[in-house]
Amino acid sequence: GAVVSQHPSWVICKSGTSVKIECRSLDFQATTMFWYRQFPKQSLMLMATSNEGSKATYEQGVEKDKFLINHASLTLSTLTVTSAHPEDSSFYICSARSGTGWSQPQHFGDGTRLSIL
Amino acid sequence: AQTVTQSQPEMSVQEAETVTLSCTYDTSESDYYLFWYKQPPSRQMILVIRQEAYKQQNATENRFSVNFQKAAKSFSLKISDSQLGDAAMYFCAYRSGDDKIIFGKGTRLHILP
Repeated sequence: GAVVSQHPSWVICKSGTSVKIECRSLDFQATTMFWYRQFPKQSLMLMATSNEGSKATYEQGVEKDKFLINHASLTLSTLTVTSAHPEDSSFYICSARSGTGWSQPQHFGDGTRLSIL
Repeated sequence: AQTVTQSQPEMSVQEAETVTLSCTYDTSESDYYLFWYKQPPSRQMILVIRQEAYKQQNATENRFSVNFQKAAKSFSLKISDSQLGDAAMYFCAYRSGDDKIIFGKGTRLHILP
């Protein structure tokens, strides 16, 4: 149980295009999902907290207009990288918490490798 | 703000031996969770073990155990009987009351056959 699916797992696109990454909780409802970014050989950095039915909360230094987050339902959050450039190339990982109590663990998706040419 | 520090960028251990990965953190909160995550080359984040701050007893999961020293803000991971499949990047992580997880920089563990 508690599976989080991310799609696509790998995407390559040209500079200037927009890319949408989906994060789905397959067997549980998640009112809150989280988006992380991981550069090669570095740690995961929280980008934003995605809340179902409301605006995402972005961490300091993360451009809201660059990284659009939509949490349309209790099982789906999307991250859209708008007008992507080579410096946006990274590994993006989402996580979702099962249950409403903060003691519940977060479950991670398998990540999306984004390469901008 | 909370911080998590892993002072060992890389470690190596002989297969079947025991290894301990270090982690320290800084916080002013009294209630929180601590985790160790494993990230193999596939990049999937795998939860290894977790510890609730209000519990004094150290968490154990099969070959994995922690040494949680709340006063010292230390949370080390011990891997017993190391196996080749244990080779991965290990991240120590802190989860605060606002549900955010803060990761350390990681320790790359090599298992020597």
